[in-house]
Amino acid sequence: EVQLVESGGGLVQPGRSLKLSCAASGFTFSNYGMHWIRQAPTKGLEWVASISPSGGSTYYRDSVKGRFTISRDNAKSTLYLQMDSLRSEDTATYYCATEGTGLAYWGQGTLVTVSS
Amino acid sequence: DVVMTQTPPSLSVAIGQSVSISCKSSQSLVYSDGKTYLHWLLQSSGRSPKRLIYQVSNLDSGVPDRFSGTGSQKDFTLKISRVEAKDLGVYYCAQTTHFPLTFGSGTKLEIK
Repeated sequence: EVQLVESGGGLVQPGRSLKLSCAASGFTFSNYGMHWIRQAPTKGLEWVASISPSGGSTYYRDSVKGRFTISRDNAKSTLYLQMDSLRSEDTATYYCATEGTGLAYWGQGTLVTVSS
Repeated sequence: DVVMTQTPPSLSVAIGQSVSISCKSSQSLVYSDGKTYLHWLLQSSGRSPKRLIYQVSNLDSGVPDRFSGTGSQKDFTLKISRVEAKDLGVYYCAQTTHFPLTFGSGTKLEIK
């Protein structure tokens, strides 16, 4: 059974940093591209970043470029999102999701609240 | 960016009725491999999104055949036949053909 478990969310002040993790199991993690997708309270889904299976290629939405870094450790089957210089507009539930045939599996999400 | 225009924003339907949700993209979603990466997701209240249909018309395992997806290029439709109470939630279309990945704004399905 595929499982994606996010962690690392919490309350953080504007300008500070946070690192999210997504622990994967039930599939060969190193074969799949991965995504971070977020959802602000009561809002829709918004893609944040993606990474290729090897980690050699990464993609970001414009509003997080230079502030967020997506990475992965295939030996640990874990996906990461380092978030620096956080802003109030980054407040959201962050989901990791697999690529493959297209957003096949999602984690339960971790809530990030940016507030003073 | 590819804009995904999803309509209607909400639907109220009686049990047993059928409904359709439209999703139109601002660009063709056909990738260079010939496949169309348009998917449908359902987010039930308080839950994470779950994929129902991938690449326009392929049902995910466990998804009842009351759900069907059709379309091509820029125009796509999700149809739910014989709606059941457990179908309620917010439906999203999503494209993974082009970066940035983009989503429709959602259709909230309510049961009358």
